Amino acid sequence: DAGVIQSPRHEVTEMGQEVTLRCKPISGHNSLFWYRQTMMRGLELLIYFNNNVPIDDSGMPEDRFSAKMPNASFSTLKIQPSEPRDSAVYFCASSPVGTGGEQYFGPGTRLTVT
Amino acid sequence: AQSVTQLGSHVSVSEGALVLLRCNYSSSVPPYLFWYVQYPNQGLQLLLKYTTGATLVKGINGFEAEFKKSETSFHLTKPSAHMSDAAEYFCAVIVWGTYKYIFGTGTRLKVLA
Repeated sequence: DAGVIQSPRHEVTEMGQEVTLRCKPISGHNSLFWYRQTMMRGLELLIYFNNNVPIDDSGMPEDRFSAKMPNASFSTLKIQPSEPRDSAVYFCASSPVGTGGEQYFGPGTRLTVT
Repeated sequence: AQSVTQLGSHVSVSEGALVLLRCNYSSSVPPYLFWYVQYPNQGLQLLLKYTTGATLVKGINGFEAEFKKSETSFHLTKPSAHMSDAAEYFCAVIVWGTYKYIFGTGTRLKVLA
């Protein structure tokens, strides 16, 4: 099993640019999560999907952030326009049904906005 | 509301010594509890979990944790630390009725030669 795949692994962009982060969950997992990790705020859940439907997006910081899951094998997190305070590591995780909630994390995307 | 508290943001142990990382939880319903490990520049990896049943849970890499309801604790232990155990460790609880985690603030473990 390839695990959760995220791309790109590193992204450096200028303030005001659009950034798109991508995630491929583990096949057969029906829940997908986007997290942000910073030194100041730790791990924050941004949004999660169940069966491709957004269930809770209360962690999305602003309207500049949006997430989609068009099918069971792909999700995107978009920031438009990006700001320096968005610099963080963004993780995607997926979870299979019926396992008591364990989540499998991807390697993360390190975003730097200058 | 549910929550977890990790005591000690940094813990140092000598190689071969006991590892003890503390996690206390708050929950009005039976909690599902997890420990995750994060190595530098990597994502989080599940070490072990407690849902129901046996209160002593064994995980990967020789780690184990004991669910103690009377103490509202779920401390992580390993009898003998190895240099490769140096990482950050997160305790988490699932919010009842959802798939969301509440993570602790993490404990960075340093292993001294």
